[in-house]
Amino acid sequence: KQEVTQIPAALSVPEGENLVLNCSFTDSAIYNLQWFRQDPGKGLTSLLLIQSSQREQTSGRLNASLDKSSGRSTLYIAASQPGDSATYLCAVYEGGGNKLTFGTGTQLKVEL
Amino acid sequence: EAQVTQNPRYLITVTGKKLTVTCSQNMNHEYMSWYRQDPGLGLRQIYYSMNVEVTDKGDVPEGYKVSRKEKRNFPLILESPSPNQTSLYFCASSYRPRGNTEAFFGQGTRLTVV
Repeated sequence: KQEVTQIPAALSVPEGENLVLNCSFTDSAIYNLQWFRQDPGKGLTSLLLIQSSQREQTSGRLNASLDKSSGRSTLYIAASQPGDSATYLCAVYEGGGNKLTFGTGTQLKVEL
Repeated sequence: EAQVTQNPRYLITVTGKKLTVTCSQNMNHEYMSWYRQDPGLGLRQIYYSMNVEVTDKGDVPEGYKVSRKEKRNFPLILESPSPNQTSLYFCASSYRPRGNTEAFFGQGTRLTVV
């Protein structure tokens, strides 16, 4: 059974820092990996989708990498801002491809 | 604007009173699914649909029903809600299944069953 773990569970950084969020998964037979952010009381916003054949994707200040063989993905946030404060979730489509298995999330707080 | 719309956003109901949470997407997506989010358990899939009239169980289907009569709509039905179904519910859609395309999520429905 696929298990997705995110470390750290919570992170507090000062504004302007570059930071890395980690995601690991136990079964490397995935179709893709998707990073989301979730704001309190709101839905999930898609940040980046990495296909299984890709190694990384970039969008603005965000860069996500994928290493299928080691079962790891990282989300790099450059020059963090208070508006980046949210919970970040990674999710993988398993071999069957019919569902996303979510990680436990990293709660990020960027302070002024 | 491309979006997944859930209604209602908030709902408080009593045990046993049937309810429906609606989900609609305007992106002509084939694949739709429902998740629930609980503290300490994360998001878990309830049901999914590969296309019109094609639905299947996810990881936690007990106590729920779904239907897919039209491509854009995928309602979640609780025939006899119980307090253990108190949760935050999300509807999601994507152009195709199997993760080939990005998944889009609705804003969530916070359900409380008393």
